Amino acid sequence: SAVISQKPSRDICQRGTSLTIQCQVDSQVTMMFWYRQQPGQSLTLIATANQGSEATYESGFVIDKFPISRPNLTFSTLTVSNMSPEDSSIYLCSVAPSGSIYEQYFGPGTRLTVT
Amino acid sequence: DQQVKQNSPSLSVQEGRISILNCDYTNSMFDYFLWYKKYPAEGPTFLISISSIKDKNEDGRFTVFLNKSAKHLSLHIVPSQPGDSAVYFCAASAASNYQLIWGAGTKLIIKP
Repeated sequence: SAVISQKPSRDICQRGTSLTIQCQVDSQVTMMFWYRQQPGQSLTLIATANQGSEATYESGFVIDKFPISRPNLTFSTLTVSNMSPEDSSIYLCSVAPSGSIYEQYFGPGTRLTVT
Repeated sequence: DQQVKQNSPSLSVQEGRISILNCDYTNSMFDYFLWYKKYPAEGPTFLISISSIKDKNEDGRFTVFLNKSAKHLSLHIVPSQPGDSAVYFCAASAASNYQLIWGAGTKLIIKP
């Protein structure tokens, strides 16, 4: 298992600004993911955060909008850039300590509201 | 296009009775299915899973049934307890793709 913390837990931001979300894991893990859950919607994978290389983005998500850092095996950041109200969502990081995507451990999420 | 659908946004069940949460999928390539449970202000936690080679998997009070011909799976909780009140997510994956595809969730409310 893994214990994951996220900062901030919630924030209210103005449009046009950027917010960086931090994800800290209590153990070294190779597989780390960033998700978005828009209101009333399912979880959508934004990207896989790779240590030592560029993140792998899913269709519909680009690095300029959601830059990701992964400086080591216990930490990652996701930045939501040039925010608009459509970016209001819960952002979650997850890890797969066993190497299986089927058993992911999630952080508590960051609730972002853009006004 | 929603490949995994949970058509009931919420479900209310009396404590001690059976809770049945449903999930439908459209992609016939999915071969592994999972249920996650989420409490408020927490991330989802893994609950139970089933491979497409099986039609039933049981773990204590939780049983997942898979009907491949109908592209339907369900999660049964017996007996339901107050601590089961949470949002339940169905997720699916195809061996050819590492990604999990998630449903929108069903909020289960267990009434005392």
